[in-house]
Amino acid sequence: GQSLEQPSEVTAVEGAIVQINCTYQTSGFYGLSWYQQHDGGAPTFLSYNALDGLEETGRFSSFLSRSDSYGYLLLQELQMKDSASYFCAVDNNNDMRFGAGTRLTVKP
Amino acid sequence: GAVVSQHPSWVICKSGTSVKIECRSLDFQATTMFWYRQFPKQSLMLMATSNEGSKATYEQGVEKDKFLINHASLTLSTLTVTSAHPEDSSFYICSARDRGIWANVLTFGAGSRLTVL
Repeated sequence: GQSLEQPSEVTAVEGAIVQINCTYQTSGFYGLSWYQQHDGGAPTFLSYNALDGLEETGRFSSFLSRSDSYGYLLLQELQMKDSASYFCAVDNNNDMRFGAGTRLTVKP
Repeated sequence: GAVVSQHPSWVICKSGTSVKIECRSLDFQATTMFWYRQFPKQSLMLMATSNEGSKATYEQGVEKDKFLINHASLTLSTLTVTSAHPEDSSFYICSARDRGIWANVLTFGAGSRLTVL
């Protein structure tokens, strides 16, 4: 079967750096995605890693290690607006399955 | 960028009635659409994968006769909750997968909040 593990909650202060880890078990793997969802809103795409290594997009970076079935989302220079839920998702080409989500709270 | 329109955004219905939710990709052709269900502060639970022109693939535990999914065209998929009950009350959200270099990205609709009285 498939499973994804990520921390349920993370709290940090403005300006800090936060890393949200995701480990997965899957029968097929094409890539690992990260999505952000604010309360009451729709998930929005942040990043996609198909190959090992670090992908950087502004303040957000995402890392993947296929051999370790592990990835993380790195958020730098945290802002209050970054308070949201962050989901990792495994793409096995047929579908996209999401982890339980990590609720990030950014405090002043 | 890609846009997915989902309607209605919220609906209240009586127990026993059916509700149809539409999901449209506005500026791209979505060969695959996914339907998720989300309870408050929980994850997105995949209900079914909908491929244009073929029957939807349902996840284990999702009743296909209760949650009817139709993907009649490359831009439209519908979810019909039949004979709705209060336990069906939830946030239903669709997403569409583009083709080519954007096939890795899911674009989500705004979601539909269903309340069954």
